Amino acid sequence: QKEVEQDPGPLSVPEGAIVSLNCTYSNSAFQYFMWYRQYSRKGPELLMYTYSSGNKEDGRFTAQVDKSSKYISLFIRDSQPSDSATYLCAMSGNNAGNMLTFGGGTRLMVKP
Amino acid sequence: GAGVSQSPRYKVAKRGQDVALRCDPISGHVSLFWYQQALGQGPEFLTYFQNEAQLDKSGLPSDRFFAERPEGSVSTLKIQRTQQEDSAVYLCASSLARRGAFTDTQYFGPGTRLTVL
Repeated sequence: QKEVEQDPGPLSVPEGAIVSLNCTYSNSAFQYFMWYRQYSRKGPELLMYTYSSGNKEDGRFTAQVDKSSKYISLFIRDSQPSDSATYLCAMSGNNAGNMLTFGGGTRLMVKP
Repeated sequence: GAGVSQSPRYKVAKRGQDVALRCDPISGHVSLFWYQQALGQGPEFLTYFQNEAQLDKSGLPSDRFFAERPEGSVSTLKIQRTQQEDSAVYLCASSLARRGAFTDTQYFGPGTRLTVL
């Protein structure tokens, strides 16, 4: 079993829909939680990061962390076709270098 | 102001050949990471440098994999005697963050897509 689990999708939604993406994890040492977006043949780019439990909002994106349930979510409001990409959750603890442990990614398609 | 760059972008190797993948991090970034991303999977950690020191190589899958960063900037990931299971995208990331301090983002390059025939 992987440390971080993520539904691979694909998830197909109409433009304007609210999208919910989530990950579960098993390592209670994780303290930092991130969401990356990866377009085809590109490197991941950071969307959101959260320290410990709680919510964080940035424009159309909201990240939630529930450490008691070992569950994190990313919500995208008013989804756009340009949001079509693979979304990767990533986590790190206070380990040396803060290397990231990624989920497998969820492929999102927003249809016009 | 350029981001992380990697070369070559695509590499095709015959099984048994040696390959070298290059990463140019963002200028001034202390930390440098290598990740391996298999098709349809998330990236997996390979190794980490702080300046020229390789502080963690626990993710390297075998002794055929070797990474260096001799002057604390450019890094090279070398794979000897490539095997088909080495086919993947190799991502490099850099950050300002020093050891134990999550003070900055890891910025990723576009990756090198390695195909071993």
